[in-house]
Amino acid sequence: SAVISQKPSRDICQRGTSLTIQCQVDSQVTMMFWYRQQPGQSLTLIATANQGSEATYESGFVIDKFPISRPNLTFSTLTVSNMSPEDSSIYLCSVELAGPTLRETQYFGPGTRLLVL
Amino acid sequence: AQKVTQAQTEISVVEKEDVTLDCVYETRDTTYYLFWYKQPPSGELVFLIRRNSFDEQNEISGRYSWNFQKSTSSFNFTITASQVVDSAVYFCALSNQGGKLIFGQGTELSVKP
Repeated sequence: SAVISQKPSRDICQRGTSLTIQCQVDSQVTMMFWYRQQPGQSLTLIATANQGSEATYESGFVIDKFPISRPNLTFSTLTVSNMSPEDSSIYLCSVELAGPTLRETQYFGPGTRLLVL
Repeated sequence: AQKVTQAQTEISVVEKEDVTLDCVYETRDTTYYLFWYKQPPSGELVFLIRRNSFDEQNEISGRYSWNFQKSTSSFNFTITASQVVDSAVYFCALSNQGGKLIFGQGTELSVKP
């Protein structure tokens, strides 16, 4: 397995501001993803973070609102821009680890709890 | 389209009871993967198991067991002799080889002492 860390673990923000969430993994990674979990809801994929190129966004999510970077294999950031109370959620990064028996399984970070006032 | 249905929103049992969490999935892919994750109150998502579409062998891990039946598109999860520490939200999920996970709505399990 691997250690997946996220910063910050939680934050309270004012509407109209932006927050950048970091995800760091201590092992070799093939793929990285960002998910959103709204209060009391299930998880929804925001985008796949691609190393050195633009992220691949799911329907309903756009780069202007959720810019994502992945400068190397083990690190990614998600920015929640121009926040509104509807952005209050848990944001989780997930990774697929390198290795023949580890592919196709996503392991999740501890999540970032965001509250927008 | 891919879809995962967990019809049980909440389940409450008394400690030491057995409990089964249901999961039904829909996909047109011939190769796919099924998962169960546990989300305790702390919020992190803990991987429990992955099953490949070509492997219908059931699996047991301690008090946990999983029953995969392609004929009914189900992947049910049973906890034997439940414990208070099993209290959490459990998610069933589906993916194809593209990596995107489709989650069910989750089942909140409450195990009372």
